[in-house]
Amino acid sequence: EPEVTQTPSHQVTQMGQEVILRCVPISNHLYFYWYRQILGQKVEFLVSFYNNEISEKSEIFDDQFSVERPDGSNFTLKIRSTKLEDSAMYFCAGGQGPYEQYFGPGTRLTVT
Amino acid sequence: AQSVTQLDSQVPVFEEAPVELRCNYSSSVSVYLFWYVQYPNQGLQLLLKYLSGSTLVKGINGFEAEFNKSQTSFHLRKPSVHISDTAEYFCAVSEIEEGGSEKLVFGKGTKLTVNP
Repeated sequence: EPEVTQTPSHQVTQMGQEVILRCVPISNHLYFYWYRQILGQKVEFLVSFYNNEISEKSEIFDDQFSVERPDGSNFTLKIRSTKLEDSAMYFCAGGQGPYEQYFGPGTRLTVT
Repeated sequence: AQSVTQLDSQVPVFEEAPVELRCNYSSSVSVYLFWYVQYPNQGLQLLLKYLSGSTLVKGINGFEAEFNKSQTSFHLRKPSVHISDTAEYFCAVSEIEEGGSEKLVFGKGTKLTVNP
């Protein structure tokens, strides 16, 4: 059964550095999402992506964040200048439509 | 804007006992409803979903949930739990609107602990 994969599983970075989190969605999915979960808090929506453009973004998704689907398979989340408060588990998700989203295992980002 | 309330942050139960995890939502439009499970150090796995039709939906691992529109609830139940059901359970909603992104809005989660 196909799965959403994410790399790396754990990323440690220094404040102010750029990070790129990578996701490989299931091949027939059309909608893509990033969510994050700060330790002990609820899962929060960051951004949705459809037809090669952002369809919606949350207040969290400011100018420091960007997403890309550069080659039709990978889906990346870039944080240009990381802050301590960006430390969280980042989940990629995808689906064929609005009726279900399949999540990857997550990337734990630690900003020191 | 939609919101989800999971009334219990922690639910301890004994093995083979029944369990109900409560979820209420608020939305001004129709919604899809979901339950996800997160095992320790893992991602989110879809347990079940309500899109339309029968209000009682069955999911994986023997779980089921009932959509109650008048009470805006979507409680998750299992008649007999196992130790392996110990995990955190998240209720989520997605508003059905034209041009929407179908983002999921999650509750804070309920930690289910099944004791022997």
